[in-house]
Amino acid sequence: GAVVSQHPSWVICKSGTSVKIECRSLDFQATTMFWYRQFPKQSLMLMATSNEGSKATYEQGVEKDKFLINHASLTLSTLTVTSAHPEDSSFYICSAPGQLGNTIYFGEGSWLTVV
Amino acid sequence: GQSLEQPSEVTAVEGAIVQINCTYQTSGFYGLSWYQQHDGGAPTFLSYNGLDGLEETGRFSSFLSRSDSYGYLLLQELQMKDSASYFCAVKGPGFQKLVFGTGTRLLVSP
Repeated sequence: GAVVSQHPSWVICKSGTSVKIECRSLDFQATTMFWYRQFPKQSLMLMATSNEGSKATYEQGVEKDKFLINHASLTLSTLTVTSAHPEDSSFYICSAPGQLGNTIYFGEGSWLTVV
Repeated sequence: GQSLEQPSEVTAVEGAIVQINCTYQTSGFYGLSWYQQHDGGAPTFLSYNGLDGLEETGRFSSFLSRSDSYGYLLLQELQMKDSASYFCAVKGPGFQKLVFGTGTRLLVSP
């Protein structure tokens, strides 16, 4: 079964509204999680590193005020797309390192459509 | 920074062998991974090379040459279900941060 769960899988929102995506680690603690964005037929682009109990680290070119990341517990990180616009429509996916060596777990991903 | 280049698309027939190349430029190197992603789904881990040479996992093998900053994924006995996108990825230091390559779309035909 999934070890990292993402919710919702699909979301449609109106332009100008905000939408929150959750990423949960199941049965293990994740002090660090990663958020990626993927446009159709393109690669996964790392947006930010989510750090439990501290501020997220954003990649160059990612607007921290638009993509709010909160990692308030050891099993939950949230990504909030604020004032969404149609160009924010994309596939958002999170990942978390496992507790053993090189293992990395991905969530199922969330499709965001802004209309 | 880090950049990983892959061919955009590769086509092959069932039963064939295909090689997907990846050339990378990184500041620091912590291994090369390969992931498969079907449309609409999450990436799934295929293989990892931390050292030079070939790693074999069933029908999939991966090769790394650190001196050439180059690796490849070899898929044998292709099946229709192998039609997907394939990404190479390098890890950043510390916390399993992955940077993905440009991706290769593999189309397997009957």
